[in-house]
Amino acid sequence: EVQLVESGGGLVQPGGSLRLSCAASGITVSSNYMSWVRQAPGKGLEWVSLIYSGGSTYYSDSVKGRFTISRDNSNNTLYLQMNSLRAEDTAVYYCARVYPRFDPWGQGTLVTVSS
Amino acid sequence: DIQMTQSPSFLSASVGDRVTITCQANQDINKYLNWYQQKPGKAPKLLIYDASNLETGVPSRFSGSGSGTDFTFAISSLQPEDIATYYCLQYDHLPNTFGQGTKLEIK
Repeated sequence: EVQLVESGGGLVQPGGSLRLSCAASGITVSSNYMSWVRQAPGKGLEWVSLIYSGGSTYYSDSVKGRFTISRDNSNNTLYLQMNSLRAEDTAVYYCARVYPRFDPWGQGTLVTVSS
Repeated sequence: DIQMTQSPSFLSASVGDRVTITCQANQDINKYLNWYQQKPGKAPKLLIYDASNLETGVPSRFSGSGSGTDFTFAISSLQPEDIATYYCLQYDHLPNTFGQGTKLEIK
């Protein structure tokens, strides 16, 4: 069974940094396309970032230059390094495997950016 | 970017009703369109993948159809446990984009 478990969320001040983790079991992160998706409180879903199995990375315009997606093959873990955080980055962040079905998703981790 | 126009935003129906939700893309996305169900405080749950394929374990009252730019999601006989928000997602082109969501309630 494929399982994704996010961690690392919390309360951070505007301008601060946070690193989210997504620990995978049942799949090899480095062999898959993996994405981060977020959902602001009471709002819809927003795609954030993607890393291909070959290592290429892509970002939404709203986070480009501030967020970095990466992976650790030895720990089979996906990361999202978030810098220069803003109030509008407040959301639940989910990781998900993109192919073959953009599924499964993790349970999410809440990031709150507030002073 | 591909825009996904999902409608309606809100839907009220009775138990046993057939309900439909549509998603329209402003560019061809082939078959790479999924439908998710999300309940409060939970991660989205995949119901339909690649436009028309029912995910394993999902009740057969859920269905999807379409290709290219126009897609439809249906529940053949609404059940109380179907109360949730439903989203479409295109993952043919980057950035991947979601519909705005449809909040479904029981009348």
